[in-house]
Amino acid sequence: QKEVEQDPGPLSVPEGAIVSLNCTYSNSAFQYFMWYRQYSRKGPELLMYTYSSGNKEDGRFTAQVDKSSKYISLFIRDSQPSDSATYLCAPRWTGRRALTFGSGTRLQVQP
Amino acid sequence: GAGVSQSPSNKVTEKGKDVELRCDPISGHTALYWYRQSLGQGLEFLIYFQGNSAPDKSGLPSDRFSAERTGGSVSTLTIQRTQQEDSAVYLCASSLEWGGRIYNEQFFGPGTRLTVL
Repeated sequence: QKEVEQDPGPLSVPEGAIVSLNCTYSNSAFQYFMWYRQYSRKGPELLMYTYSSGNKEDGRFTAQVDKSSKYISLFIRDSQPSDSATYLCAPRWTGRRALTFGSGTRLQVQP
Repeated sequence: GAGVSQSPSNKVTEKGKDVELRCDPISGHTALYWYRQSLGQGLEFLIYFQGNSAPDKSGLPSDRFSAERTGGSVSTLTIQRTQQEDSAVYLCASSLEWGGRIYNEQFFGPGTRLTVL
């Protein structure tokens, strides 16, 4: 079993929809939870991060962590065609700098 | 300012050949990471360098893989006797590591796409 599980999609939604992207993880030592966005043929770029449990909002994006159920979510409101990309969750624990990535969910927002 | 750069952007090689992949981190970044992204395995950590500390090599898949970082800046990832399963995109990231911050963002380069025939 992988440490981080993520539905690979693809997920196709119409423009303006609310998108929910999710990951589950098994390592209870994870303390930092990142979401990266990766456009085709580009390197990943950090979208949001949260520390421990809770919610964090940034514009149209909301990251949510539930450590009790080991569940990570990213919500995108009013989705745009420019949001079409692969979204990777990447938790990390204090003792290790390297990130453990989920396999990524490919999102396609249809105009 | 300039981001992380990697070269070459694409590399095609024959099975059994050695390859070298180069990463130029963001100037002043003390930490450098190599990751590998393949269809079957997703994005996997390979190796991490931080300043003058011994590198964390725990992600290297075999002894055919090695990396060095010269002068605390440029890094080279070397794969000896390449195999077809080494075909992947190799990504480099750098970050400015210093105490007091909860998280130090890793900035990724565009990657080198390696194809082993």
